[in-house]
Amino acid sequence: NAGVTQTPKFRVLKTGQSMTLLCAQDMNHEYMYWYRQDPGMGLRLIHYSVGEGTTAKGEVPDGYNVSRLKKQNFLLGLESAAPSQTSVYFCASRSWGAGRTSTDTQYFGPGTRLTVL
Amino acid sequence: AQKVTQAQTEISVVEKEDVTLDCVYETRDTTYYLFWYKQPPSGELVFLIRRNSFDEQNEISGRYSWNFQKSTSSFNFTITASQVVDSAVYFCALTPGGGSTLGRLYFGRGTQLTVWP
Repeated sequence: NAGVTQTPKFRVLKTGQSMTLLCAQDMNHEYMYWYRQDPGMGLRLIHYSVGEGTTAKGEVPDGYNVSRLKKQNFLLGLESAAPSQTSVYFCASRSWGAGRTSTDTQYFGPGTRLTVL
Repeated sequence: AQKVTQAQTEISVVEKEDVTLDCVYETRDTTYYLFWYKQPPSGELVFLIRRNSFDEQNEISGRYSWNFQKSTSSFNFTITASQVVDSAVYFCALTPGGGSTLGRLYFGRGTQLTVWP
C-alpha cells in the first residue's frame, strides 16, 4: 500500500515547454486534488476531481489542465510553462464517509518541485 | 467565505519548552472539519489530526494536544516538552460542509517552528 505517489520528484523546464505531472493512489478514493505551495502562501487548490472522468477548477486553475481517465490516476498538465508556475505541487486523495463517524481526511503525495526558467 | 489564519509566521523555542501554535478559522457552515498537518524539512505533508465541528472535546496524543473552541473559532495546537524533531512548518486547514461536499481544504499560511537544542 503505497498511498499517494507523485512523478517526477523534481523537474526544471524552460519557459514555453510542456510537461505532465502524474499522481497515483492505491486507496480507491473517489476524490483527488492538485495543490500548489508557494512561500508564505500555504497550499492553494488548482484543480480537483470527484471521480473518474470528472474534473473541475479550483482556486488557481489558469495555465493548467487535468485529466482523470482512471480512478487511481490524476494528471496535471502545463501546456506552456511560465516562471510564475515555479512551485511545489502536491497531489492529494480523500477518504470520506457521511455522518458523525466520517473519516474525511486528505492524504498527500510527497510533492513535485518544479522550476521554470 | 472560508478562511484560516495562522498569525504566527515563525516561532523559536529551546528544547523541552512547551509551545502553542494558534489557528483561527472563519466559515458560515455549521458542519466542518479542521485539520493540522506537519511539513518537516524533507517537504512531505503529514496528517496529524482531524476534528469535527460537532465534537469540541480536546484531544491529546503523546506530547501533542489540540484545543478546539467554537466560541472563539480557534483550533490551537500545543506541543509539550518540544524536541528538535518537532522543527517543521505546521499548517492548519479547514474543510467546510462535512463529508457530502467537495472536501477541498482551505489552508492557513503555516507556522515555522524551530526547536533549538
